[in-house]
Amino acid sequence: GQQVQQSPASLVLQEGENAELQCNFSSTATRLQWFYQRPGGSLVSLLSNPSGTKHTGRLTSTTVTKERRGSLHISSSQITDSGTYLCAMEQASSFSKLVFGQGTSLSVVP
Amino acid sequence: NSKVIQTPRYLVKGQGQKAKMRCIPEKGHPVVFWYQQNKNNEFKFLINFQNQEVLQQIDMTEKRFSAECPSNSPCSLEIQSSEAGDSALYLCASSRYKHSGNTLYFGEGSRLIVV
Repeated sequence: GQQVQQSPASLVLQEGENAELQCNFSSTATRLQWFYQRPGGSLVSLLSNPSGTKHTGRLTSTTVTKERRGSLHISSSQITDSGTYLCAMEQASSFSKLVFGQGTSLSVVP
Repeated sequence: NSKVIQTPRYLVKGQGQKAKMRCIPEKGHPVVFWYQQNKNNEFKFLINFQNQEVLQQIDMTEKRFSAECPSNSPCSLEIQSSEAGDSALYLCASSRYKHSGNTLYFGEGSRLIVV
């Protein structure tokens, strides 16, 4: 089965609304990393934290490794936030190798 | 902004042909990763290097791919005999260290279409 599961698979928001993206993983992870993938390919690292809560701008990442879950909160969404959000877990002694979820496709509309 | 450079952006190959992709990691990053992302958004780790040394690779990579990171040259990933199932986005990433906890910086990817 899939080691990293993200929900929802897709989400449509009106500009200004908040979004909560979920990530559940099936084995012990040392860290979760969130990426944004632009249409066309490139992945941009957003936030990375082993546990607890981390903020940057309008993004908040929360990781509860004991419960094997994490979330990404996007506040006051903007049209330019549209794209795919990927959660990736890192396991101990993995040389920073990441296991990715299948992403949440976010569309922000006016 | 990531400075991982991948070429070509797109390549189209016939079944059985070789397909070669290149990656220049970010300056000062000796650790390089290759991932395959298929049309269902599934990521598959292929191989990683530290400098010229392979750290880990999956069975498929060992059997069907040729990959290297020579000193003073771009890293490369080459499929020896392309199959339809190899059609995917191939992403290269680099990081400063090999131990856990490092941020990976990705390139734009090379999109392979096998016809």
